[in-house]
Amino acid sequence: DIQMTQSPSSLSASIGDRVTITCQASRDIRNYLNWYQQTPGKAPKLLIYAASTLETGVPSRFSGRGSGTDFTLTISSLEPEDIATYYCQQYDRVPITFGQGTRVEIK
Amino acid sequence: QPQLQESGPGLVKPPETLSLTCSVSGDSISRSTYFWGWIRQPPGKGLEWIGSIYYTGSTYYNPSLESRVTISIDTSNNQFSLDLSSVTAADTAVYYCARSWVVVTARGYFDLWGRGTRVTVSS
Repeated sequence: DIQMTQSPSSLSASIGDRVTITCQASRDIRNYLNWYQQTPGKAPKLLIYAASTLETGVPSRFSGRGSGTDFTLTISSLEPEDIATYYCQQYDRVPITFGQGTRVEIK
Repeated sequence: QPQLQESGPGLVKPPETLSLTCSVSGDSISRSTYFWGWIRQPPGKGLEWIGSIYYTGSTYYNPSLESRVTISIDTSNNQFSLDLSSVTAADTAVYYCARSWVVVTARGYFDLWGRGTRVTVSS
């Protein structure tokens, strides 16, 4: 299985801060990497697919970069509604695997 | 507006079989552009892919669960189902059904999710 490792596991930031979450794959996954946002009690929501393509309707303050084994999700200016847990997911190989999640909180 | 809705019992006794159905509305389950998948999330933990099915009936399972999982599809009723046999307390989780665009065989991005259904395994 391809292991997906996110860092940090949690972070605390102020409104307006730039926030970056990293995701590292245990092997080359090309750009087959998605990012999801999950708020408590809700289903995950797709933010970015194919490493850098913004899903329709997702605010432009979210962006994704990377290829191969190293990827980042950036929130350019943190908003209160961005408080959530973020997951990366690879689809280069079966089984599809997710990172362990990064919880974003307000400082 | 396409929607997915999970249904099934909220409590299952070990070692019985957990059975869930996902009803798809506002879209056809037979579109060649989609896979249909099941993902679960144990309490306080992360996401685990269980498996996916194509409208043709082709299935792809997580090897960690493959011996206990069956996913089936009913195109006439626009729904697909999950059976997980010999359940234990470790199978307690919120179970989500989701739609995936096909990028490569059996894989892609899950762009539409059901609200999830909580299943507790307990005697």
